[in-house]
Amino acid sequence: QVQLQESGPGLLKPSGTLSLTCGVSGGSISSGYWWNWVRQPPGKRLEWIGEIDHRGSTNYNPSLQSRVTISVDKSKNQFSLKVTSLTAADTAIYYCAREYRDDTSGYYDFWGQGTLVTVSS
Amino acid sequence: DIQMTQSPSSLSASVGDRVTITCRANESIATYLNWYLQKPGKGPKLLIYSASSVHSGVPSRFTGSGSGTDFTLTISNLQPEDFATYYCQHSYSSLPITFGQGTRLEIK
Repeated sequence: QVQLQESGPGLLKPSGTLSLTCGVSGGSISSGYWWNWVRQPPGKRLEWIGEIDHRGSTNYNPSLQSRVTISVDKSKNQFSLKVTSLTAADTAIYYCAREYRDDTSGYYDFWGQGTLVTVSS
Repeated sequence: DIQMTQSPSSLSASVGDRVTITCRANESIATYLNWYLQKPGKGPKLLIYSASSVHSGVPSRFTGSGSGTDFTLTISNLQPEDFATYYCQHSYSSLPITFGQGTRLEIK
């Protein structure tokens, strides 16, 4: 059974940088999946941040693209998220998720439990 | 961006009831539509993918239908563990991926 676990600081200051890591166990990050970050601000809907595959190919949400970087570390079987120039609007629960994708479908079949990140001075 | 709109936003029902949640896209997404269940403090769990395919391990009381812009999730014979928030999500090739605003299913 694949398991994903987010880790990183929970409280950050405005203008700072968020760095989160998602550790993958029970499966290899080098298998044919896409690895995603999704966030959920308090009381709001889920928001897709971006994704990476094992080769390092990335796609980002245009609304965040200028501030977001997703990277993969195959040796540690993990992938990471970096968000710069933080504001209070970045306060959210951040989830990592595995996406299965083929010609006819794409879906998130495994999710982490989420980690709350608060941006406040 | 493709906009996903769910209705209703909240719903009250009793154990044993049958409920239907609707998700509408503002442009056609064929059958690239997934449904998730989320409980407080937990990550979402996949229920239905490709509009009508039931994910492994999901009870048969969960069914999905639709194509194009209109989709439904139906839960038959509601069980206590089904009371949660439900989200639809499109996985069409047009990025970004977007989710519906959620439907909170509460016990009556």
